[in-house]
Amino acid sequence: DGGITQSPKYLFRKEGQNVTLSCEQNLNHDAMYWYRQDPGQGLRLIYYSQIVNDFQKGDIAEGYSVSREKKESFPLTVTSAQKNPTAFYLCASSMDPKQTQYFGPGTRLLVL
Amino acid sequence: QKEVEQNSGPLSVPEGAIASLNCTYSDRGSQSFFWYRQYSGKSPELIMFIYSNGDKEDGRFTAQLNKASQYVSLLIRDSQPSDSATYLCAVKTLTGGGNKLTFGTGTQLKVEL
Repeated sequence: DGGITQSPKYLFRKEGQNVTLSCEQNLNHDAMYWYRQDPGQGLRLIYYSQIVNDFQKGDIAEGYSVSREKKESFPLTVTSAQKNPTAFYLCASSMDPKQTQYFGPGTRLLVL
Repeated sequence: QKEVEQNSGPLSVPEGAIASLNCTYSDRGSQSFFWYRQYSGKSPELIMFIYSNGDKEDGRFTAQLNKASQYVSLLIRDSQPSDSATYLCAVKTLTGGGNKLTFGTGTQLKVEL
């Protein structure tokens, strides 16, 4: 059963805490992406990776970090430096950067 | 000016009617155009993509692209209540770092019985 999985579905963060969102795909896609969605706003790109062991900042990378040690995995860490982390986080992947992006089910992050 | 603009709606149409969703973009170098559907609380799912000027049909959906006017639209024929969702327009452009997908804020569609 191919697809993109994200976990957890809901995540709660305390002040000053780093949290990590998981994104895994078994589609053999080279490129992976992290977006943030806030109410009334479009999706905004946080980080993307076109190939293993390489990633680039998107439009709103401050307060976030990523790694791409394996082709199928692209975890996102929301650090304590991100002062407004409450949002719906979406992971996507594509065969390569020129191809269509497909989305995982998302993780909703809330601040306690 | 926003890079990708959509009317937020809501756009209300009766069941069985044609729904017309519109999107304009600012970058003339944009290469490909995507429509995603997003149900409340869910992630976006791809409806259609279009690269060339003109119409592209897939079942009840037709995407229309006019690069000269920087305009892309999505028509939904025989609208059903299950079509009620937010429709996101996304535009892919070449940047110095590669391909970038820019999203509009979405148009909320309500199909009424």
